[in-house]
Parts: sequence; structure tokens; C-alpha cells
Amino acid sequence: TQLLEQSPQFLSIQEGENLTVYCNSSSVFSSLQWYRQEPGEGPVLLVTVVTGGEVKKLKRLTFQFGDARKDSSLHITAAQPGDTGLYLCAGLESSNYKLTFGKGTLLTVNP
Amino acid sequence: DSGVTQTPKHLITATGQRVTLRCSPRSGDLSVYWYQQSLDQGLQFLIQYYNGEERAKGNILERFSAQQFPDLHSELNLSSLELGDSALYFCASSGGIAGGETQYFGPGTRLLVL
Repeated sequence: TQLLEQSPQFLSIQEGENLTVYCNSSSVFSSLQWYRQEPGEGPVLLVTVVTGGEVKKLKRLTFQFGDARKDSSLHITAAQPGDTGLYLCAGLESSNYKLTFGKGTLLTVNP
Repeated sequence: DSGVTQTPKHLITATGQRVTLRCSPRSGDLSVYWYQQSLDQGLQFLIQYYNGEERAKGNILERFSAQQFPDLHSELNLSSLELGDSALYFCASSGGIAGGETQYFGPGTRLLVL
């Protein structure tokens, strides 16, 4: 089973700050997904990146897939309290089409 | 609201007992996935069913089993429960067979084994 390491594990920032969270693996994934999970709810898909080097933007969120398709990053500009949640990355194993999740980054944005 | 429903929302039981968790996928979705989420292990894939057939298996214990019925709802059975089985159990659904499709997660069942 391929492993995904997410860092930092916890992040607490003030509203308006920028931040980047990382998702790293020693293995290659055919695609990588980012989810946000709020307390008491299931994860919600934010984006899927497929091509090495791909960059996708979703309003203030920028997602990048590493050139070698082993790592990814999520950058949030001018964070808002509504961005608070657990951010999970998940890699798709091309051999068996299973999603492997990282343990997540718990982000708190303070007003 | 993802359109995926799970019951019950909370479940408290004792060690050695057996419980059944239920999931109704989004209308039209043929795949159902089960996940376990705990603080130390994170979100772990357990098993996938597609149109009634087992499609993929993850880190599912032998004490656990699942099935998908003709109406596409799914049940996850957990038996001989141990303290370490306490976790959030999520069901997700997608339209097709490939795990990389968008999966829509339900609100989860929180299981506490005492």
C-alpha cells in the first residue's frame, strides 16, 4: 500500500494570512485528490489533479501536482474562518483503482 | 448534502457485540465504498461494491463484512467488536466503477465500543 504523508499535521493562523500544506509520497499516483472535511461531516472533494506539474485554482485555493506525480501542495491565499477544516489528500493507485488517504492537515483560521 | 445517507448516526455498544451500519447511495450511483476514520490511522479504505458485486478490498478485517443489495443500498457488518474498532465509519458512492471518480461521502456513523 502506498503511503501519503501530509504536513503540517496542525496549522492555526489568523484571518488574512496565506498558507501552504503539503502531501508527499515516495510512490507515483495516477491522480491525486484534495478533500475538505468539516466536523461531523464526511469529506467533500475539492479538486482532482491528473497531470504532472498541473496547477488548478479554485477561488483562493491553488492546487499543484508535482512533476513526478508523487507530491502535491495546496496553497490558500487570504485565509478566512470558513476555510477551517481538515484537509485530506488522496492518491489513486493505478494498479487497483483504490484511493489512499493521508492523515490530513487540521487548519484553524482565527477571526 | 451529498445525497448519501447513513444510519445510525451514533452507535454505542460493548466489546464482543455485532453491529450493522447502513448506507444508501446517491440516486443512480452504482458504486458504494466503506471507509474507517480514526485519529491514529486516518481515513482507511475498507471495501468497494459495484452493482452488487465486490470490486476492491482494502484494509478490512475478517471480523468485518459488507454487502450491496439489489436496490444498491449497502450494509457493513462489524462483529466481535473490540475497543479499537471505535471510529467513524463513512460510506461514499460514485456513479461508475473506478475509484478515482468523484466519491460523495455520507455524514458517517460514529461507533463507540465500550
